[in-house]
Amino acid sequence: DSGVTQTPKHLITATGQRVTLRCSPRSGDLSVYWYQQSLDQGLQFLIQYYNGEERAKGNILERFSAQQFPDLHSELNLSSLELGDSALYFCASSVAGTRGTQYFGPGTRLLVL
Amino acid sequence: EDQVTQSPEALRLQEGESSSLNCSYTVSGLRGLFWYRQDPGKGPEFLFTLYSAGEEKEKERLKATLTKKESFLHITAPKPEDSATYLCAVQGSSNTGKLIFGQGTTLQVKP
Repeated sequence: DSGVTQTPKHLITATGQRVTLRCSPRSGDLSVYWYQQSLDQGLQFLIQYYNGEERAKGNILERFSAQQFPDLHSELNLSSLELGDSALYFCASSVAGTRGTQYFGPGTRLLVL
Repeated sequence: EDQVTQSPEALRLQEGESSSLNCSYTVSGLRGLFWYRQDPGKGPEFLFTLYSAGEEKEKERLKATLTKKESFLHITAPKPEDSATYLCAVQGSSNTGKLIFGQGTTLQVKP
């Protein structure tokens, strides 16, 4: 158990819909990262928050957004969903914002039908 | 652009047959190289962090080494429970701790 929690574990929805994925980092960690894993792309960095502020963006679509709350948990919002958004979404956390080991949560499996 | 390439893509071993997985990387200012193990449908499980060339770390049957261009994950006398996908990732010198991952090596160990 990494100490990072994610909900829900599974999500099945239809194209055009909007969903919210939730992540709670390990106790004491200030950074939260979101990654997407699909069969053909591997693990891809989406976005990072550090202590409530957006730190970096990767290959994140404009339809996707995220935020980190004062209690440091984070939410990833996916809207206008397309079939190609079906993937595993992982949250990871670390103590610092620019270096150090990241610990991953169990992931949310999203299926868009 | 930071890049990570892992080889082989897949590896089949007999129980007890030692081997090595390769991770070649290109990064501007390496802050860290990470090895993770991932079981199907699960989150990556942290194994090792290496920071500088020449560094080595060991854990049970696994040993990770680092040079200026690549890292190796050596598996000694593997067991069936070592079967998993092994992921390599790098963290470069930027204002973010984001990880750049390789595609992984899927290891199958047969009894």
